[in-house]
Amino acid sequence: GAGVSQSPRYKVTKRGQDVALRCDPISGHVSLYWYRQALGQGPEFLTYFNYEAQQDKSGLPNDRFSAERPEGSISTLTIQRTEQRDSAMYRCASSSSEETQYFGPGTRLLVL
Amino acid sequence: SQKIEQNSEALNIQEGKTATLTCNYTNYSPAYLQWYRQDPGRGPVFLLLIRENEKEKRKERLKVTFDTTLKQSLFHITASQPADSATYLCALDPDTGRRALTFGSGTRLQVQP
Repeated sequence: GAGVSQSPRYKVTKRGQDVALRCDPISGHVSLYWYRQALGQGPEFLTYFNYEAQQDKSGLPNDRFSAERPEGSISTLTIQRTEQRDSAMYRCASSSSEETQYFGPGTRLLVL
Repeated sequence: SQKIEQNSEALNIQEGKTATLTCNYTNYSPAYLQWYRQDPGRGPVFLLLIRENEKEKRKERLKVTFDTTLKQSLFHITASQPADSATYLCALDPDTGRRALTFGSGTRLQVQP
């Protein structure tokens, strides 16, 4: 595709349920990043991959959050046992060998 | 502690004037700094990157400066237009080679016709 895509665009779930957010990066992009963005704030780093290897997961809030990118392309961010404080916009970005990151439209998660 | 600060108050200017947005950081030594534009409901869009050994970078009506002594970057839009109204985010790579950006909270620019 022409840009980074994310699905679903909106997700409403009940507290305690698991959710999986998907990111499809720009074809050929080596690096993939996950961020979380609260209203009125800039994106906050969660984790990133080079190819299929998770390079840094220091931004993941706790062990309920995990991410994978098994074939070095599509990535999934999974949140287990969701809590209301997990409600936010989750953004994915990808980049080639350059520093510029291309962001997707995001997934708005609402935990009731 | 490490901080990136952008003016949280919205900047309102008249069409045709130059908008100047500020990004200050503390306790970082970034190799480069980037500016992104974000429209409501959309993801950030890359505008400009400036490296630590560059004083100034230009692209059409945009100009970015980077003062590593002051730990400050200024972002200018000349001959501003209502279509320039958006939130502008600065971001830096806190660890050389890591490329996982740390963002400021952004400054909202409103250009009045």
